[in-house]
Amino acid sequence: EAQVTQNPRYLITVTGKKLTVTCSQNMNHEYMSWYRQDPGLGLRQIYYSMNVEVTDKGDVPEGYKVSRKEKRNFPLILESPSPNQTSLYFCASSYTGGGSNEKLFFGSGTQLSVL
Amino acid sequence: SQQGEEDPQALSIQEGENATMNCSYKTSINNLQWYRQNSGRGLVHLILIRSNEREKHSGRLRVTLDTSKKSSSLLITASRAADTASYFCATEPNTNAGKSTFGDGTTLTVKP
Repeated sequence: EAQVTQNPRYLITVTGKKLTVTCSQNMNHEYMSWYRQDPGLGLRQIYYSMNVEVTDKGDVPEGYKVSRKEKRNFPLILESPSPNQTSLYFCASSYTGGGSNEKLFFGSGTQLSVL
Repeated sequence: SQQGEEDPQALSIQEGENATMNCSYKTSINNLQWYRQNSGRGLVHLILIRSNEREKHSGRLRVTLDTSKKSSSLLITASRAADTASYFCATEPNTNAGKSTFGDGTTLTVKP
């Protein structure tokens, strides 16, 4: 089944403890992206990747890191989480990015709480 | 800042009625897409309209795009209780490939 898989689904951690949220897609998509969603708001883009080894900042990249060593995986890293990073996180992918009019496929989300 | 803004923020209608949601954006775009989200779950793509298109249909959905006004509307006809969800527009600016901006969404409640 074609899908975007995020893990974990729920995560509770403490301030300063490094964590990684994994994202994997099995559709051979070139484009992947991370978003955060806060209550009552839309999605804000954190980082995106047009292809392997190519990553760019979105609108809210501070406090986050990403890497794209393989086409299928795009992990989101929080080196030193803070309470203001408590949010619902979504990973998404599409065949290509950048004006090619491709729809995004979303993962089920990761609810992160930083205490 | 969010490029796309939807209105209304919330909409409550009876089953069988039509629902219209609007989206405004600020910069020139390649395309505009509409997504649906059920209660904190992942977004599902509904429809994409390109910058050179004015109207598009998909089943009970009709989307319009007015690039001169930088606005789009999503019409759901003959609504059903199962249409209850949040709806978001997303735009990709034509000056920054790969970036995507979502609006804050319209929460639609369809009462049976």
